[in-house]
Amino acid sequence: KNEVEQSPQNLTAQEGEFITINCSYSVGISALHWLQQHPGGGIVSLFMLSSGKKKHGRLIATINIQEKHSSLHITASHPRDSAVYICAVGSIGWGNMLTFGGGTRLMVKP
Amino acid sequence: EAQVTQNPRYLITVTGKKLTVTCSQNMNHEYMSWYRQDPGLGLRQIYYSMNVEVTDKGDVPEGYKVSRKEKRNFPLILESPSPNQTSLYFCASSFQGLYGYTFGSGTRLTVV
Repeated sequence: KNEVEQSPQNLTAQEGEFITINCSYSVGISALHWLQQHPGGGIVSLFMLSSGKKKHGRLIATINIQEKHSSLHITASHPRDSAVYICAVGSIGWGNMLTFGGGTRLMVKP
Repeated sequence: EAQVTQNPRYLITVTGKKLTVTCSQNMNHEYMSWYRQDPGLGLRQIYYSMNVEVTDKGDVPEGYKVSRKEKRNFPLILESPSPNQTSLYFCASSFQGLYGYTFGSGTRLTVV
């Protein structure tokens, strides 16, 4: 079974800062997902990656399959980016079951 | 609007009283799944379904049942709820499980 580790657990930034959240996993994956959970509890899917890099607005996600590592970057952070960011992996040989990291709680101060 | 609809949003019940949390999606997705989220433990998968009449256990299936009689619906059944099933539950769907997931708004369940 895959083990998924996220760092940092908590992150406080000033508005405008560049933010990086990291995710490492232990065995081969079919895909890696980045999710955002707002204070109200709802979960939104940000990216699904199996290789390379994806960009959406100020968000960039990268994955290095050889190193079993992914990063989520937020450029020009804004207080509305404050949320919990969760990494999840679908593991090869485990069908479509997802294993989740513990989440990174981000607070962006004005 | 493409969405996953969960009901109810909040539920307080007593130990042993059977309950069902409904989940419905309007995107014609084959793949649907249930998760629970607990402080300190994060999100964990309960059950998933690859298609109608095809379901499989996730990480924490004990105490739960599911059914997938129609493509759009994937109810979560707690036949005899216990206090350790107090949690925040999410349903999600995905096209064949190979693309991004759409999550429901969550159901906060309290079992007393």
